Order: sequence, then structure tokens, then C-alpha cells
Amino acid sequence: QKEVEQNSGPLSVPEGAIASLNCTYSDRGSQSFFWYRQYSGKSPELIMFIYSNGDKEDGRFTAQLNKASQYVSLLIRDSQPSDSATYLCAAETGANNLFFGTGTRLTVIP
Amino acid sequence: EAGVTQFPSHSVIEKGQTVTLRCDPISGHDNLYWYRRVMGKEIKFLLHFVKESKQDESGMPNNRFLAERTGGTYSTLKVQPAELEDSGVYFCASSYDLSGELFFGEGSRLTVL
Repeated sequence: QKEVEQNSGPLSVPEGAIASLNCTYSDRGSQSFFWYRQYSGKSPELIMFIYSNGDKEDGRFTAQLNKASQYVSLLIRDSQPSDSATYLCAAETGANNLFFGTGTRLTVIP
Repeated sequence: EAGVTQFPSHSVIEKGQTVTLRCDPISGHDNLYWYRRVMGKEIKFLLHFVKESKQDESGMPNNRFLAERTGGTYSTLKVQPAELEDSGVYFCASSYDLSGELFFGEGSRLTVL
């Protein structure tokens, strides 16, 4: 079983819509969760992190964490074509390294 | 401020040859990590340096891989001898603290023929 699971997509949404990206993790000991965005051929870039159950909002991005369900999500409101990228979910282990999912490719259609 | 830089961006070698990848972390970042992404798979942890010391090398696949971090600055990852399954993108990341907020380089793509 993979540590972090994501739907690989592709996920397509029209411009201005809400994009919903989901992730589940297997290690109940994981405490910190991260969303990275990666444009093709570029470095993964941290866009959100969340430690506590509930929602965390930053501009158009909202991260949601449900530790009981071992579920993390990222909502992107008012999606823009520039949001088209692969979104990587990662969970931190107690050993201070990250387990990544395979990523979800998002395409925002103008 | 310069980000994490990696060299080379792409290397093509034959099976049995040696390749050395280099990573320059963000200045002041004591934590340096190596990760690898094999095609179609997730990015996987290889090892973690704190300054010049190996904090965790549990992800290193075998003894053909050797990582060093000279003087706690830049790091090298040597693969010797390279095998076909070593092909992938090798990412370096650095961080100021242990919060898990990593800054990644653009990766070094290794192709072993």
C-alpha cells in the first residue's frame, strides 16, 4: 500500500470554476501535510501546508485536513489557466522526510 | 536570493558508467535532501543531511549510491556503476528548519542506456 495516494487525473475544470484535489495517507502518525505545485520541467513549489484538522485558507487556495479519515484536500477557487500544473500531496513522517503521492495533473480550460 | 540549483540538468550515460550530480542549496539552509522520481512513480526520499552529517539515509537504494556534503555546503550524489533502473529525475531540496517546508531544485534527469 502506498503511503500517500492521489488520483493521477487528468482533472479538467473550466476557468473560474473550483478545482478539488484529493489525497489520502496511510500513516496515522503523520502530522504535517503539504501541497506542492509543479509545472512541467520545473521544481516542485510549496503552495500550502496544514497541521491541524479543519480548513486553512490562503488566497484562492484552501487546504482541508481530516485526520480521522486520513484525508487531505486542496481547493482552488476561481481557477485560472496559470493554475494548470501537477499538484503533489506530501505527508511528513516522524523521521522528517516527506512521502509524496504521484500527483494530480490539473488543466484549467480557458 | 538564489534558489536550489542542480547540475547537470540532464545526463545520458551507458550502463556501468559513473555519474555525479551536484546540488547547491539555498545559502543558510542546514538541511539538504535528495529525492528521486522514477518515471510514473512518486517522488521518493533518498537521504537527508544536516550540515555535513547524514541524518537519515534510509531511502538510499543500494551501495552504488554515495552522497556527500562537503563542509556543509553543496552536496554530490554519485552513482557508480549506473544501472538501467537508476534512470529518473533526482531532486535536491533544502530547508532552514525541520518544519517540512522544502525548497526544491529543478532536478537532474538521469538516463541510463
